[in-house]
Amino acid sequence: SQQGEEDPQALSIQEGENATMNCSYKTSINNLQWYRQNSGRGLVHLILIRSNEREKHSGRLRVTLDTSKKSSSLLITASRAADTASYFCATGKGAQKLVFGQGTRLTINP
Amino acid sequence: DTEVTQTPKHLVMGMTNKKSLKCEQHMGHRAMYWYKQKAKKPPELMFVYSYEKLSINESVPSRFSPECPNSSLLNLHLHALQPEDSALYLCASSHPPSGVQETQYFGPGTRLLVL
Repeated sequence: SQQGEEDPQALSIQEGENATMNCSYKTSINNLQWYRQNSGRGLVHLILIRSNEREKHSGRLRVTLDTSKKSSSLLITASRAADTASYFCATGKGAQKLVFGQGTRLTINP
Repeated sequence: DTEVTQTPKHLVMGMTNKKSLKCEQHMGHRAMYWYKQKAKKPPELMFVYSYEKLSINESVPSRFSPECPNSSLLNLHLHALQPEDSALYLCASSHPPSGVQETQYFGPGTRLLVL
């Protein structure tokens, strides 16, 4: 079974609004990563947050991590049409095995 | 060079064909990965190579045969595939394993259709 579960499965918002996606996981982690995938393309790494960090920012992205609740959220502020993509959280099982959540399909409407 | 390249972009093959997928990176990464991704699903790990040695095989059928000829190249040899093997095959690479999960850099993928 997948380590990470995400919600919502799909999210549709207007350009300029903020988008929030959530990820829950089951076991202890060293870090949690977020990736973006445009339709039918490869994944692009967005941000990595370590287990001893609570919040991290990168441009319009803000990631939070709550290890007590085993959950993380990804906030995209001031969304743009180019943000339309699927977003996956990923956690590790061992040093080399990355397990991806089911993903959130984000659509930004002009 | 921060790119992972994959060839071909698209591949159509019959169930009796033999074909190979290729992946290349020049970032000095010593861990390389093959993933399989079905439509609207997350990538699923197939194989991991660490320092050119196979370190993880996720119980993948033998009709998929990986090969890592050197630290920059990763191949996936395909033989006698089934229609259900149609998917996007993604290659990724990362810095050598250090005990924690590293950021992985993905190629654009090969979209495979098995007829």
